Amino acid sequence: AIQMTQSPSSLSASVGDRVTITCRASQGIRNDLGWYQQKPGKAPKLLIYAASSLQSGVPSRFSGSGSGTDFTLTISSLQPEDFATYYCLQDYNYPYTFGQGTKVEIK
Amino acid sequence: EVQLVQSGAEVRKPGESLKISCQASGYNFTRKWIGWVRQMPGKGLEWMGIIYPADSDTRYSPSFQGQVTISADKATSTAFLQWSSLKASDTAMYYCARHLRGNSGLDYWGQGALVTVSS
Repeated sequence: AIQMTQSPSSLSASVGDRVTITCRASQGIRNDLGWYQQKPGKAPKLLIYAASSLQSGVPSRFSGSGSGTDFTLTISSLQPEDFATYYCLQDYNYPYTFGQGTKVEIK
Repeated sequence: EVQLVQSGAEVRKPGESLKISCQASGYNFTRKWIGWVRQMPGKGLEWMGIIYPADSDTRYSPSFQGQVTISADKATSTAFLQWSSLKASDTAMYYCARHLRGNSGLDYWGQGALVTVSS
């Protein structure tokens, strides 16, 4: 199975900060990667699919980039509602696999 | 409007069986993959498996193969996740989610179903 290594596992940031989260695949996965946001007690929410496509309704401060093995989720200006845990998921081949998650906390 | 509505919280004893459900509405259920994701208490997301209801083509993560069974009923637009003999380690939140196509991601999610296994 493809391993997804996500970093950092947690970070502290302030409102207005630019935040970057990375995901590395153990083998090339083209652009078959999505990013998800999960708030406590809630189901995950799709933010980005196909590495860089913004899901409908998601604010434009979220962006994704990368291809092959290295991927990045960027929040251009962190807002109070963005404090959450973020996961990447490869949907290149079965079994799909998630990264370990990145918890974004308030500094 | 696309919706995935999951069955409610369950409490079972070790060794008991269980089947939880995920009822879909607002789209052609048979033509979209639907998957299951586990989240153990305080832990991350784990992809368990996925089913294509039109022909019941099912794929499992090796971690869950033989431990659970994924199925679907086209007549009621419902996907299922079942266990024949629960363990305490099956205690978790379980989510269903739709996979639209290719690399489109899991675009709609159920609200989750908490399964507690305790003697």
